[in-house]
Amino acid sequence: EIVLTQSPGTQSLSPGERATLSCRASQSVSSNYLAWYQHKPGQPPRLLIYAASSRAPGIPDRFSGSGSGTDFTLTISRLEPEDFAFYYCQQYGNSPHTFGRGTKLEIK
Amino acid sequence: QVQLVQSGAEVKKPGASVRISCKASGYNINSYGITWVRQAPGQGLEWVGWISNYNGNTNYAQRLQGRVTMTTDTSTNTAYMDLRSLRSDDTAIYYCGRGYGDYWGQGTLVTVSS
Repeated sequence: EIVLTQSPGTQSLSPGERATLSCRASQSVSSNYLAWYQHKPGQPPRLLIYAASSRAPGIPDRFSGSGSGTDFTLTISRLEPEDFAFYYCQQYGNSPHTFGRGTKLEIK
Repeated sequence: QVQLVQSGAEVKKPGASVRISCKASGYNINSYGITWVRQAPGQGLEWVGWISNYNGNTNYAQRLQGRVTMTTDTSTNTAYMDLRSLRSDDTAIYYCGRGYGDYWGQGTLVTVSS
């Protein structure tokens, strides 16, 4: 199975700053089928990005995804207070559709 | 609008079985597959499996193989996940999602405890 390694495990930033989250795959992700989710306790996951760089409907344009093959990045250009949460990448090009272990984005 | 509404919380003893339902509205369940994921206490998201809308084919996480079954009922627009031989480490919130995850149910807490 494809193992996704997310870094950093925790990122401490202030509102207005830029966040850069990394997701590295143990092998190439088929068709760049890589998604990013935001997750807050007690809520379902929220799809932000699919196919590595396509923003899901209704997602603000401060969220952007990039990368291909084995290296992917989620960028949040200017952090809003509501952006502090957990972020997970998931590949859905090969079964099992594995998740990374997540990055906790916390307020500095 | 698209909604997925899951069944309520369950408390089960080890070795028992649980069925979680996921009723779709605002779209035809034939049009998209259904993904199931879970989150155990203090842990990250874990992919549980997927059922295809095209042919009903399923893919399950290796660690749940033999204990999990996913189905859909087109007459009621509802997806189901059955999990058998429950263990304490199956305690988690279970979520169903449309397709690869553009819409999600509200989650169902399954607690396995003696």
